[in-house]
Amino acid sequence: EADIYQTPRYLVIGTGKKITLECSQTMGHDKMYWYQQDPGMELHLIHYSYGVNSTEKGDLSSESTVSRIRTEHFPLTLESARPSHTSQYLCASSGSATGELFFGEGSRLTVL
Amino acid sequence: GDSVTQMEGPVTLSEEAFLTINCTYTATGYPSLFWYVQYPGEGLQLLLKATKADDKGSNKGFEATYRKETTSFHLEKGSVQVSDSAVYFCALSERGAQKLVFGQGTRLTINP
Repeated sequence: EADIYQTPRYLVIGTGKKITLECSQTMGHDKMYWYQQDPGMELHLIHYSYGVNSTEKGDLSSESTVSRIRTEHFPLTLESARPSHTSQYLCASSGSATGELFFGEGSRLTVL
Repeated sequence: GDSVTQMEGPVTLSEEAFLTINCTYTATGYPSLFWYVQYPGEGLQLLLKATKADDKGSNKGFEATYRKETTSFHLEKGSVQVSDSAVYFCALSERGAQKLVFGQGTRLTINP
């Protein structure tokens, strides 16, 4: 059973607020990822990290930022939320040579 | 670059029907192949995987065979249940690559 946790599961906030989505894993995985999932289901990679102090932008441009100060923790921050940021955000980690990912349950963000 | 193409959905079947969800891929090397499932309101879970040609992955009555000659990894189940209703994602990972490449997802609905 994978041990990767995301909080909050659901968040409704007003435009202009700063938000941080938390992601933690207890598997000691070096690689961690953030995906944005649109209502059409498609997954878009927005950030990833190969290890502590390593962060990279993904395939889809995002106004969010990430940090990786500890192996187990990979938070995502939006400095000023807008309605266009409304989406489901999925965090994942990997420690396998085959590239298999373990996902958290997701954070559904609604910006009014 | 690498890509994954899945059968377009939505797919609607009756309980106990036979299921096939097609998946084909394009890759430069010898990737590992995966099927993930996403139940409503949850993150993705690994359903099955295959790491080399002719391997068959299986789990929960689902099967998929890695066919290098047709670059395919079709998902099958002999008798579906209402509880199989979910979104299914095909994905690949090249050896040594840091990221998974996902298909666009196929929504499956099983009616009693």
